[in-house]
Amino acid sequence: EIVLTQSPGTLSLSPGERATLSCRASQSVGSSYLAWYQQRPGQTPRLLIYESSTRAAGVPDRFSGSRSGADFTLTISRLEPEDFAVYYCQHYHGSLLISFGGGTKVEIK
Amino acid sequence: EEKLVQSGTEVKKPGESLRISCKHSGYYFTSYWIGWVRQVPGKGLEWMGVIYPADSDTRYNSPFQGQVTFSADRSINTAYLQWNSLKASDSAIYYCARLGAGGSSFDIWGQGTMVSVSS
Repeated sequence: EIVLTQSPGTLSLSPGERATLSCRASQSVGSSYLAWYQQRPGQTPRLLIYESSTRAAGVPDRFSGSRSGADFTLTISRLEPEDFAVYYCQHYHGSLLISFGGGTKVEIK
Repeated sequence: EEKLVQSGTEVKKPGESLRISCKHSGYYFTSYWIGWVRQVPGKGLEWMGVIYPADSDTRYNSPFQGQVTFSADRSINTAYLQWNSLKASDSAIYYCARLGAGGSSFDIWGQGTMVSVSS
């Protein structure tokens, strides 16, 4: 089973700052089938990024995803007030096996 | 508009059975896998498994194998998540979601069904 570890657990930043969120896989993952979701309080998760770096429809370009080996990163270039939320990564391992990371909360400093 | 609409909040007692639903509209239902995701309030997302409505093929995440059952009715574009005997630890929000976006991520989500199990 591939375990996804997200860090940090909480990120305290101000609007306008850059946010860098990490998701590390417990073992080498051959595929780039890594997605990022945003979940605002009381809301349903929303797909932001899929296949490591492709933005989903309607997602602002301040959100970007990248990969380096088993490390995946979500970057929010300049935080807007609506970006303060919890972010989850999710990996598709093939053969319809999926796992989620534990989440990173981005809170207002 | 493509969307998934889930059934409403459920309040049950331990040992009772339950089936919640997830109805799609706006896309060809049987072309995509539908996943189920659990979220205990205040906690993270847990992948439970997926079902392919075209032939009801299923995959369960191992912690949920034998604990729940996925099913689908193609004629009414609806997927189901079922418990035969609920436990208090089943109290959570349950989401259905379409495995789209390249077949590797969940691009459309239902609004969630809150299940509360208490004596």
